[in-house]
Amino acid sequence: SQTIHQWPATLVQPVGSPLSLECTVEGTSNPNLYWYRQAAGRGLQLLFYSVGIGQISSEVPQNLSASRPQDRQFILSSKKLLLSDSGFYLCAWSGGDNQPQHFGDGTRLSIL
Amino acid sequence: GESVGLHLPTLSVQEGDNSIINCAYSNSASDYFIWYKQESGKGPQFIIDIRSNMDKRQGQRVTVLLNKTVKHLSLQIAATQPGDSAVYFCAESPPGYALNFGKGTSLLVTP
Repeated sequence: SQTIHQWPATLVQPVGSPLSLECTVEGTSNPNLYWYRQAAGRGLQLLFYSVGIGQISSEVPQNLSASRPQDRQFILSSKKLLLSDSGFYLCAWSGGDNQPQHFGDGTRLSIL
Repeated sequence: GESVGLHLPTLSVQEGDNSIINCAYSNSASDYFIWYKQESGKGPQFIIDIRSNMDKRQGQRVTVLLNKTVKHLSLQIAATQPGDSAVYFCAESPPGYALNFGKGTSLLVTP
């Protein structure tokens, strides 16, 4: 069966520090991969999605970036974090368009 | 800065009753719809989906209804249990586009 792993579960970072969040999927090949951010009490905002290695689409301009160095690995990065980057970051995978997305358990990021 | 004091719509039901959670979507071109359940501190969990060529789909204790005429989606949960307490999100997507999520409804099941 397919599984998705995100780490770390929680992270506290100072303003201006770099960021790297990792997401890996097991049990499937060539998945669509997604990064979302969820602010408290709100819905999910799509940040990036990828349909293949090295293919990244950005939905929201910001100081975050994403990379897909391997088929089942998706990384969310920042060179310099802002206070507004605080939130709950979720990774998801799907088998393609019009198929369910399956989410990891998220990373709670706090910027101080 | 970010707004504070935002409150999700809340539905309170008694254990054993049926729950109906409603969702209005905006894009008439959407052909795929999905419901998720999110418990505190966890990622959303897939419940059920439906394509635009259907108006009803049933799962275990859940039913999704789609009314394309008024762009309305609902999730019905039969015999609601305390474990059903969570935030429920609907999402839609037009062909070739990623899912667009609603803001969520908080379901509270009381004994």
